Amino acid sequence: RKEVEQDPGPFNVPEGATVAFNCTYSNSASQSFFWYRQDCRKEPKLLMSVYSSGNEDGRFTAQLNRASQYISLLIRDSKLSDSATYLCVVLFSSGTYKYIFGTGTRLKVLA
Amino acid sequence: DTEVTQTPKHLVMGMTNKKSLKCEQHMGHRAMYWYKQKAKKPPELMFVYSYEKLSINESVPSRFSPECPNSSLLNLHLHALQPEDSALYLCASSQTSGLQETQYFGPGTRLLVL
Repeated sequence: RKEVEQDPGPFNVPEGATVAFNCTYSNSASQSFFWYRQDCRKEPKLLMSVYSSGNEDGRFTAQLNRASQYISLLIRDSKLSDSATYLCVVLFSSGTYKYIFGTGTRLKVLA
Repeated sequence: DTEVTQTPKHLVMGMTNKKSLKCEQHMGHRAMYWYKQKAKKPPELMFVYSYEKLSINESVPSRFSPECPNSSLLNLHLHALQPEDSALYLCASSQTSGLQETQYFGPGTRLLVL
C-alpha cells in the first residue's frame, strides 16, 4: 500500500463547478499536511497547509480527519486557471522529518 | 522573497559526462532538498541537508553526489548517468526540516541523458 494515495483523475469539470479531492495516508505518525499545486512542466507550489480544525482560503477549503487518516480539498466556483495537478503532501517523523507526496490528482476545468 | 533558483534549466549529457546541477536560496532556510520527478509521477525525495549536513539519503545510486558548500547553496554532481535518470530534478528549501515547515521549490532542471 502506498504511503499517500490519491485518485489520479483526471477530473473534468465545467467552470463554476465545485470539485473535491481526497487523499489517504497510511502512517499514523504523520504530523503535517499540505496541498500543493503543480502546473504542467512547472515546479510544485504550496496551495495551503491543512490544519486539524480545517481551514479555508478563498474558494479553497481543506479538511483533515486524523481518525480516518484522510485529508480533503474542496474547490468552489472552479476557474479555468484552476486546471493543474493537485498533490497531497504528508510530513512524518521517523527520527528525521520526511515529506511524502501523493501521486497527484489532475483537474481540468472546461469552458 | 520566496525564491529558489536552479541552474541550468535544461541539460543534455552523455553517459560518460560529468555535470553539476546548482540550487540557491537566500531566504535563510537551513534545510535543502533534492527531488527527482519523472513525467506524470510525483516528486521522489533523493537527499535532505539540514544545517549543511546530509540527514537523509534515500538509497540514491552513487552516480548522484550531493554537496552543500554553504547554507545558501546546494549542488548535485552527476557522473556516469543512465538514460533512465532522465527526469526533472527539483531543489527545495524550508526554514528547518521540522514540523509544519513549508517547502519552496525551484523551477527545476530538466535533464536528458543520452
